Amino acid sequence: GQQVMQIPQYQHVQEGEDFTTYCNSSTTLSNIQWYKQRPGGHPVFLIQLVKSGEVKKQKRLTFQFGEAKKNSSLHITATQTTDVGTYFCAGPGGSSNTGKLIFGQGTTLQVKP
Amino acid sequence: DTAVSQTPKYLVTQMGNDKSIKCEQNLGHDTMYWYKQDSKKFLKIMFSYNNKELIINETVPNRFSPKSPDKAHLNLHINSLELGDSAVYFCASSRATYEQYFGPGTRLTVT
Repeated sequence: GQQVMQIPQYQHVQEGEDFTTYCNSSTTLSNIQWYKQRPGGHPVFLIQLVKSGEVKKQKRLTFQFGEAKKNSSLHITATQTTDVGTYFCAGPGGSSNTGKLIFGQGTTLQVKP
Repeated sequence: DTAVSQTPKYLVTQMGNDKSIKCEQNLGHDTMYWYKQDSKKFLKIMFSYNNKELIINETVPNRFSPKSPDKAHLNLHINSLELGDSAVYFCASSRATYEQYFGPGTRLTVT
């Protein structure tokens, strides 16, 4: 079945260092969404990418959608302790327009002050 | 105003019991979802309703039964609870296939 894989599973960085998480889908995606879940919290939508090769920025966060629309990445520049959490990518699952999302396993980011 | 709310936040119960989780959204969305997040944080969709109609029904034991009395509410009833049901259950809603808004979650512990 359709799979969405994320690496790494965990990342520990020193505050101020950069961080990147990578997302790969077994199938071509019409779009990809990114969510952030703080410890003890719930997933919160960050962004949706739709176009091949699309790059979007939100302050220190840069999101990319691959040319083949099968992979994506999230890069955080100069991490801060507020960036701590688990970052999930998610792509539409199934053939119909149901809103079903297949989530990656998530990358948990720890930032040491 | 809370966009997506769930009750209860915590649920501790014994094996074999039946329990329900309730979800309400005030965003005017037409689609609602139930997700299960296991101890490794893996998020898996269980069910989805669009305008009170069940549209996604993943491979979930029959002991789980969702119900949507109206567009703004989606409940989850679980019969004969098992240890493996322990997880965090998230309700979410969306307008069509756009971004999903998650509730705060219900942490279910089965002893």
